[in-house]
Formats: sequence, C-alpha cells, structure tokens
Amino acid sequence: DAGITQSPRHKVTETGTPVTLRCHQTENHRYMYWYRQDPGHGLRLIHYSYGVKDTDKGEVSDGYSVSRSKTEDFLLTLESATSSQTSVYFCAISESGREDYEQYFGPGTRLTVT
Amino acid sequence: AQKVTQAQTEISVVEKEDVTLDCVYETRDTTYYLFWYKQPPSGELVFLIRRNSFDEQNEISGRYSWNFQKSTSSFNFTITASQVVDSAVYFCALSEATGTASKLTFGTGTRLQVTL
Repeated sequence: DAGITQSPRHKVTETGTPVTLRCHQTENHRYMYWYRQDPGHGLRLIHYSYGVKDTDKGEVSDGYSVSRSKTEDFLLTLESATSSQTSVYFCAISESGREDYEQYFGPGTRLTVT
Repeated sequence: AQKVTQAQTEISVVEKEDVTLDCVYETRDTTYYLFWYKQPPSGELVFLIRRNSFDEQNEISGRYSWNFQKSTSSFNFTITASQVVDSAVYFCALSEATGTASKLTFGTGTRLQVTL
C-alpha cells in the first residue's frame, strides 16, 4: 500500500469557519492531488501539485486553496466553509505526471459543514 | 472536455453470477489511458487496472476481465463468479494531460451488491 495518510479522518465544522485538511505521503512522489467525492458526481479534482510550491486548479477549485511547502505534505484549506463543501475529500499521489501513471489514494476525510 | 459515463448506478447479483460493469468515455485525444478503481465499503480507493488506447487486447486477471473497444468508446469490466467480497463501488476514469501533470476524470460509479 502507498504510504498516504490524511488528517483528520472526520471533521464537523460550522459554516464560515476555516478548515485545513492535511495529506502526508512517505513515497517521495512529486505529484499530489485533492479530489472531492459526492453522490452522483464521482470524484472531482479540486487542486493538484506538481512539485514543492507548484500548484494548479482543478475543475472545482472555487472556495479552496492549497499549499505545498515540502514534498511530503499537501494542505487543502477551506477559507470559509459552506454547507456545499460537505463531502468526502481524497488525496492522491503519483510518481509521474504522465497520463499513463496511476494515482494512489489516501483513506479520505469526511467533512461535514453544519 | 473529457467525459466518462457509467450508466448503471446500482447492480445487485447473487453470488457466483457473472456481472459486467459498463463504462463509456468521450475524448478528443488520440492517445489516452483508462483506469478502473474499486471502493469497498471501508471507503478507500483501490487501483485495479490501466489500459492505453492503442492496445485493444482484452485483459484478464483471475475472475476479473476488461474489454476495451475503441470503436464504441467503451471499457467494460466483467467479474466472473462474483463473490460477496466484490461488493463495492467501481469507478471508471480517463486520464488527461494538463500541461503540468495529468488528471483523472471519473465516472459517477456503479455500486455492486453481491448477496448470498
């Protein structure tokens, strides 16, 4: 199994509060991704990173920011959480940015915004 | 834009039955890669297989087989002699280059329920 952990695993927060989710990997992979999973939508890409301090937006990036100050950690921040951001968040890593490389996923974080 | 369609939302079968999960994709790329992932009730996503667009050979791995047909833009997944442990949500995904990395476009998933 790829060495990916996510913290926290579960979180309940109130609308308007900031929230930071952490993804930590021990594989030294350059590429890291944040997805959200919602019923009827599958998984959708929020942001990704192609190196330390190198990040870019995915298809559902509004309301989210990310940071990557070291190879092993990729942080996802909800600046002011809204109920529409209630979801399960998955981090993924990949050894390469090439299309033929699979991504390996962390265990997920279930976030509820009340 | 790329798109992956998994029209079967939920399938229920009895153990030992064969079951096929459908995946239809859209892309304008001539070279592309397709993936299947499994999400068991525990919630993690498990990589199952990768297929490239220029190799139309079917793939078999134990009870699992995959049928890739470029002519119909389909990449279907068959489980032979299903077992209760196969109960999961299965996702088909299509990879796309972004210029700086690659990203996966997922289908909405098919929930497979295998009962005794």
